Amino acid sequence: GDSVTQMEGPVTLSEEAFLTINCTYTATGYPSLFWYVQYPGEGLQLLLKATKADDKGSNKGFEATYRKETTSFHLEKGSVQVSDSAVYFCALSQYGNKLVFGAGTILRVKS
Amino acid sequence: GAVVSQHPSWVICKSGTSVKIECRSLDFQATTMFWYRQFPKQSLMLMATSNEGSKATYEQGVEKDKFLINHASLTLSTLTVTSAHPEDSSFYICSARAGTGGTEAFFGQGTRLTVV
Repeated sequence: GDSVTQMEGPVTLSEEAFLTINCTYTATGYPSLFWYVQYPGEGLQLLLKATKADDKGSNKGFEATYRKETTSFHLEKGSVQVSDSAVYFCALSQYGNKLVFGAGTILRVKS
Repeated sequence: GAVVSQHPSWVICKSGTSVKIECRSLDFQATTMFWYRQFPKQSLMLMATSNEGSKATYEQGVEKDKFLINHASLTLSTLTVTSAHPEDSSFYICSARAGTGGTEAFFGQGTRLTVV
């Protein structure tokens, strides 16, 4: 079945450092890809998404590009802030159906 | 984006009792709602999918008689954990989607259930 693999955390960075969280997927079709963020004690919020190959999703300085050839959707941010500390989930969805999530990556940003 | 409200945000109950969690779409009609469970430091696992007016579809390994899901209207779905036990303690999150494939699903804030 479909699956998502993302890099294990926690990832600890200093403020203003460059962030990359790797995400690769396995799917039979052409899924939509998502990054969700979860702040402590809260539900998930959609951070960005891409629905087809070579699309770039971006929001709040984060971006990710749908790479079909490498089945990847890596999350990047040029300069992280302490407020970006959260758990980040990569996910895919086929035909708008259920979301399949990766295990999540904890990001800790130190000031 | 659209708002999904989940209530309560946390609940503590005694072993053997039942707990009901509500999920409401506040500003759109949710034709489909999803219920997820999240264990500490783990990802979300889909428990079931419900469409308004029909029986929920449960994922493999999820006991439908234990986790009762009702999607009685286009704005409300409920998850009832029956005869709760400590191993049912978890973070439960709902999401709701308007329309069919390709539309975004919006998440509730989650419910922290602790069974003592």
